[in-house]
Amino acid sequence: QKEVEQNSGPLSVPEGAIASLNCTYSDRGSQSFFWYRQYSGKSPELIMSIYSNGDKEDGRFTAQLNKASQYVSLLIRDSQPSDSATYLCALFPGGGADGLTFGKGTHLIIQP
Amino acid sequence: GAVVSQHPSWVICKSGTSVKIECRSLDFQATTMFWYRQFPKQSLMLMATSNEGSKATYEQGVEKDKFLINHASLTLSTLTVTSAHPEDSSFYICSARPFRDSEAFFGQGTRLTVV
Repeated sequence: QKEVEQNSGPLSVPEGAIASLNCTYSDRGSQSFFWYRQYSGKSPELIMSIYSNGDKEDGRFTAQLNKASQYVSLLIRDSQPSDSATYLCALFPGGGADGLTFGKGTHLIIQP
Repeated sequence: GAVVSQHPSWVICKSGTSVKIECRSLDFQATTMFWYRQFPKQSLMLMATSNEGSKATYEQGVEKDKFLINHASLTLSTLTVTSAHPEDSSFYICSARPFRDSEAFFGQGTRLTVV
């Protein structure tokens, strides 16, 4: 079974600090990886996509991908209370499957 | 990013009735759309892949006769929950991609409550 694993948290981080969210996956054939943010009762919102090994930065967000270790991470710099949400790691499984596979999400709390 | 619109945002229905949920891609054409279900404190689970002009592909364990999917045009997919039961109460979310392997954009979600 192709799985995406995340620590459910909650992960509590002081305002202004760096929040580090981690994700591991089992399908080595996966090529496309995404981080979504989901507020309670709302649908997911795309934060970052990453396709190649290394780092990808967008504003306060940095996604990191290591395919050899089957590991994806998201760093949030200068964390704000509005960053408090559940962060979902998602990927397209290998083998041509069309639908995203999601992890269960990490609940992030930014403490003012 | 691309816009996906879902309607209604919430619905309450009686057991045994049917409910239709619409998903529209507003600024792009989507030959494929996806339907997810999310129970409280759980992750999104893919229910089915909706293909324009052909039958939907259902994930294992999802009853195709209960969750009817129609993708009649390149911008509209509908999910009909037939003979709804309280255990069908959930958050249903659709998504679509402008092209294969691009990021997926989500509709606002539909909160279904069956009483």
